[in-house]
Amino acid sequence: NAGVTQTPKFQVLKTGQSMTLQCAQDMNHNSMYWYRQDPGMGLRLIYYSASEGTTDKGEVPNGYNVSRLNKREFSLRLESAAPSQTSVYFCASSYRGNEQFFGPGTRLTVL
Amino acid sequence: SQQGEEDPQALSIQEGENATMNCSYKTSINNLQWYRQNSGRGLVHLILIRSNEREKHSGRLRVTLDTSKKSSSLLITASRAADTASYFCATGLSNDYKLSFGAGTTVTVRA
Repeated sequence: NAGVTQTPKFQVLKTGQSMTLQCAQDMNHNSMYWYRQDPGMGLRLIYYSASEGTTDKGEVPNGYNVSRLNKREFSLRLESAAPSQTSVYFCASSYRGNEQFFGPGTRLTVL
Repeated sequence: SQQGEEDPQALSIQEGENATMNCSYKTSINNLQWYRQNSGRGLVHLILIRSNEREKHSGRLRVTLDTSKKSSSLLITASRAADTASYFCATGLSNDYKLSFGAGTTVTVRA
């Protein structure tokens, strides 16, 4: 039982490059979330998926897209990376709005 | 915008002492959750308290919720070095499964 897994753990991009962050959970949770965490700040919600087949914008969606591939997987795509997207990205999952389980994070640097 | 705000931003205590941190929020909530984050790791859920509850305990943790003052407190009793971490409150609204996180309190427990 791996919980929430994220790949990659670290990534360095050049401005304008694209990449997809992968997230998978094996807890049969309905809801999945993508957050970013910047120094001195809490987590800010980028996008979330309340259930399979639905996605909605969070607080800071600009520059990102998501895909809920199936119940287990929720990916985050940066189409054209910018230095302002340098951050630590966390994926999380939950069952119907209860406690969220977090992955270990992806540390992204955009040069 | 972030719903919750923790106070203090940082706290340094001696091992064995109690640590108290507070969270204030702005709008009516369905539940309030506390999470811990060790340096460089993902968040771990500690406790969830619903809007119709006033106090909840889990091991050495005690959480209170005052909906009239829109505030919550987290008390860690008999602190240990392993309690050194950042602690975040997160508020959940009744109409969706999203959480809104505060900026966190950094707790350092000195041996």
